[in-house]
Amino acid sequence: AQKVTQAQTEISVVEKEDVTLDCVYETRDTTYYLFWYKQPPSGELVFLIRRNSFDEQNEISGRYSWNFQKSTSSFNFTITASQVVDSAVYFCALSEATGTASKLTFGTGTRLQVTL
Amino acid sequence: NAGVTQTPKFQVLKTGQSMTLQCAQDMNHEYMSWYRQDPGMGLRLIHYSVGAGITDQGEVPNGYNVSRSTTEDFPLRLLSAAPSQTSVYFCASSLKGYSPYEQYFGPGTRLTVT
Repeated sequence: AQKVTQAQTEISVVEKEDVTLDCVYETRDTTYYLFWYKQPPSGELVFLIRRNSFDEQNEISGRYSWNFQKSTSSFNFTITASQVVDSAVYFCALSEATGTASKLTFGTGTRLQVTL
Repeated sequence: NAGVTQTPKFQVLKTGQSMTLQCAQDMNHEYMSWYRQDPGMGLRLIHYSVGAGITDQGEVPNGYNVSRSTTEDFPLRLLSAAPSQTSVYFCASSLKGYSPYEQYFGPGTRLTVT
């Protein structure tokens, strides 16, 4: 069975601080995909990134970066110079590569609060 | 494009009542799914569909029914509502391929069962 653990329930930072959200996963599949979604206070879910298990390169998108380490089964997300608009719940999710179905297993989420 | 739409946004039901949560997408996505979000538990998959006429169960299917008669629509039926079904329900859709694509989520339906 697949499992995603986000051990940090809530994080509070002051604007402009860097913050890292941890994600640890478990799967028996050799091919799988990892995702991060953002859920702002308005409630919708916003896709941030998809990464497959064969691509261990780190990725940077503006102030966002992701560190995928297969050896530790982790896919951590860092926000550099955080802003108030980054306040949201962030979900890490895992999907097996079934070929036809994208069944996501979500972590319990990390609530990030960025204050001035 | 409207993306993924869900109706209603809010609903209150009494125990034992039935209702249908509507979900529609206009992106011609073959894959659609329903999740429920409960505090402290993340999102859990209820049912999914890989195309018109094909549905399957997810992690928490009990008490829910789905059908997929068209590519665009994927309604979720609560047969006899229970307080344990109080939750926020999200519908999602994505392309179907050899690898799982990112899913696009609707705005959610907040359901309260009393």
